[in-house]
Amino acid sequence: GNSVTQMEGPVTLSEEAFLTINCTYTATGYPSLFWYVQYPGEGLQLLLKATKADDKGSNKGFEATYRKETTSFHLEKGSVQVSDSAVYFCALDPADKLSFGAGTTVTVRA
Amino acid sequence: DTAVSQTPKYLVTQMGNDKSIKCEQNLGHDTMYWYKQDSKKFLKIMFSYNNKELIINETVPNRFSPKSPDKAHLNLHINSLELGDSAVYFCASSQGRGRQETQYFGPGTRLLVL
Repeated sequence: GNSVTQMEGPVTLSEEAFLTINCTYTATGYPSLFWYVQYPGEGLQLLLKATKADDKGSNKGFEATYRKETTSFHLEKGSVQVSDSAVYFCALDPADKLSFGAGTTVTVRA
Repeated sequence: DTAVSQTPKYLVTQMGNDKSIKCEQNLGHDTMYWYKQDSKKFLKIMFSYNNKELIINETVPNRFSPKSPDKAHLNLHINSLELGDSAVYFCASSQGRGRQETQYFGPGTRLLVL
């Protein structure tokens, strides 16, 4: 079946620190991969996505590269801000159904 | 101007009651979804509709019944509420059904069953 495994949180960082959240997946075929972010008290919103191998998604300073050989889609940001505090979800969609990872809570301290 | 809206935002009710959550999207999308997020933030799809037709129905108790009166609306009715139904319920929509589609989420309905 299709599944996503992402690193457990919570993750606590200082402002301007480097953030990486690991995500690996198991899927049949060629899924699209996504990172969604959920800010406190809100719904999820798309952060970035990649639809084929070696694609790099990027947005708001975040990046992730679709690595088919390692079945990974790790999220990175070089210098985090307090406003990046949120829950981050890795997800895959092989056809028309999103499967989410468990979410990683990130807290950035000033 | 809200793209995907849900009502109510909060719902507190007694066990055994019946309640409904409404969802509307003004994006002109064809596909809508209901998700359940538990207290550990785990998110799981419940239902999906495309052009008012049910296309995904995960293993959900039949106490939960979705209804799509038109493409812009997807409501969720829950009968005989149980303690375990307490969660945040998110509605979402997407333009179509392909694997590249981005889903747009509503703000969530926080259901607490006492």
